[in-house]
Formats: sequence, C-alpha cells, structure tokens
Amino acid sequence: GAVVSQHPSWVICKSGTSVKIECRSLDFQATTMFWYRQFPKQSLMLMATSNEGSKATYEQGVEKDKFLINHASLTLSTLTVTSAHPEDSSFYICSARDLAGMGETQYFGPGTRLLVL
Amino acid sequence: SQQGEEDPQALSIQEGENATMNCSYKTSINNLQWYRQNSGRGLVHLILIRSNEREKHSGRLRVTLDTSKKSSSLLITASRAADTASYFCATDAADSNYQLIWGAGTKLIIKP
Repeated sequence: GAVVSQHPSWVICKSGTSVKIECRSLDFQATTMFWYRQFPKQSLMLMATSNEGSKATYEQGVEKDKFLINHASLTLSTLTVTSAHPEDSSFYICSARDLAGMGETQYFGPGTRLLVL
Repeated sequence: SQQGEEDPQALSIQEGENATMNCSYKTSINNLQWYRQNSGRGLVHLILIRSNEREKHSGRLRVTLDTSKKSSSLLITASRAADTASYFCATDAADSNYQLIWGAGTKLIIKP
C-alpha cells in the first residue's frame, strides 16, 4: 500500500524555537495533504489542508502565522511550528491523498510527537 | 472537526470474542472509513465503505452502513490481543473536499 513518512518522529525543543515537520508521500503523488494534531486520548483535529502549489486552508481557530505550511511539491508538505510554546506540545499527524487513485483513501504518516519545554 | 459519535468509548473483551463498535454521523457522506491506531502511533486504514454500499468484509472485519440512520458498525470477529488499539470512524462528507471528519474513537482492549 501507499506509504507516507514523517520526519522527525519525535522532537523536544525549548520554548520560543521553531520546529519543522516533514510529510512525504513515498510512492505516490499527492496534490492534497492534511495536517492534524491529536491530544492524548482524543481524536484527530484537522488543522489545515495543504494543496500543492497554493496556500494552505486553515481550520477555524488555527493560527496560520503560528503553523506555517508549505506544499512545494507533489510529494512533500512541511509544517513549521513557529515560536513554539509548551501548549503546542502534541502529536502531529499528516495524511496524503493519492492523486492517481479515486482519492477516497487517505494515507497517514506515523506521526511526530512534539514536546516543548 | 468532528461530527461522529462512537460508542462505546471503551470496550474490554476476552480474546476470541467478537467486538462491535458503532459510529454515528450527521451529514450526507461519500464514504465512511474505519482506522486503527495503536497507542502513540499513526493511523492504519482498515476499510472504506461507500454511501451506496450496505456491508463490506475484509478478513475478520465486517463493516455495515445504514445511511438512513447515519450510522455504521465495525465488527471484529475472533479477536486477538494484537487487536488492542483505538478505532476511529471518519466520514468523507459530500461537500468536504476530501476532508475527513472524525469520530471520538473507541478504545478496545483484548484480554488474553
């Protein structure tokens, strides 16, 4: 099946620093990628929809200047958490929709656990 | 965003028994999908059922969809310890641009 990777798998950083998370579709092209965050024992919360070559669409309540998304190619989207604070600590998950398929199935990355001290 | 309700929130059964989880949603959908998430890990796609389908099987998994009641169920037969995980339903709403709307999840524990 299709594979989506995320890097890094976990990161610990100091408050005020910026952290970049990469999401790659390894064996398919993805015009659309989605970024989620998940708090412990909760469901996924969609943060933004990332479209290749255009600006991301952010969900209500998600600060676009705080969570910068870049989808520069059909296989790579990045999420940068700028000036991270402890409340940004969370599990961040990306997913990608296969351009070639019917697009019904999203393939998920393994997630990135962020801890801001 | 979430529109799904899942029940039960948690389910603990003996290995070998069947596990049934339910999901309800609010809007018209193109399809409904079930995912599994092991603790602290990414999501694994289990099965997709389209709005014009009523039942689908995949190995030990059986999914039903009742669009009139806006509900779905996931049955895992002959459960195994390795089935211990959280299970989420997600709907691809009719006008959502492929965004998935997630249920709250069911935590399934299989006791050996």
